[in-house]
Amino acid sequence: AQSVTQPDIHITVSEGASLELRCNYSYGATPYLFWYVQSPGQGLQLLLKYFSGDTLVQGIKGFEAEFKRSQSSFNLRKPSVHWSDAAEYFCAAGGSGGSNYKLTFGKGTLLTVNP
Amino acid sequence: DAGITQSPRHKVTETGTPVTLRCHQTENHRYMYWYRQDPGHGLRLIHYSYGVKDTDKGEVSDGYSVSRSKTEDFLLTLESATSSQTSVYFCAISESGGGGEQYFGPGTRLTVT
Repeated sequence: AQSVTQPDIHITVSEGASLELRCNYSYGATPYLFWYVQSPGQGLQLLLKYFSGDTLVQGIKGFEAEFKRSQSSFNLRKPSVHWSDAAEYFCAAGGSGGSNYKLTFGKGTLLTVNP
Repeated sequence: DAGITQSPRHKVTETGTPVTLRCHQTENHRYMYWYRQDPGHGLRLIHYSYGVKDTDKGEVSDGYSVSRSKTEDFLLTLESATSSQTSVYFCAISESGGGGEQYFGPGTRLTVT
């Protein structure tokens, strides 16, 4: 069965520190991969996506993610966290076509940023 | 931002009452989805649609039905609401299904008393 795992439920970092959020997937083939961010009371906003090609992808708000096939991982990074980055982050995976219409989401990682 | 609206944004209803939530899009995307979000469970897919009048079940479809008579509207109905259906409900749209990104609406907070 397809699955996405975010091992960290809650992460706390200091403002200005670097950030890495982990995501592992289990899929029959190389999936399409996504990171979303959700601020309190809001819907999910797409940060970045990986379909193919360069394994390091850039997103909005200064985020990037690296696809590592050998580790089945797609970790999200930011070199310097801002207080406004406090939110919940979701990793998701989808099929590369055919009849697979759905995304599989991880359970999310809540990010707290200390001043 | 993608043109997705959900109505109502908040609703309180009583157990046993029917409830319909509406998702409306202005993007003309083929695929539409209903999720529920609960603490500790993340996002769980309820139903999805891959075209007008074409729908299928997700992982938590019991107690829910959907309808899509127009490209722009996707309705989620709780035939007889239960307290376990208290949740935040999100609609999402996608141009290309599982291979493409989904765009989310602002959510509907439903409380069943």
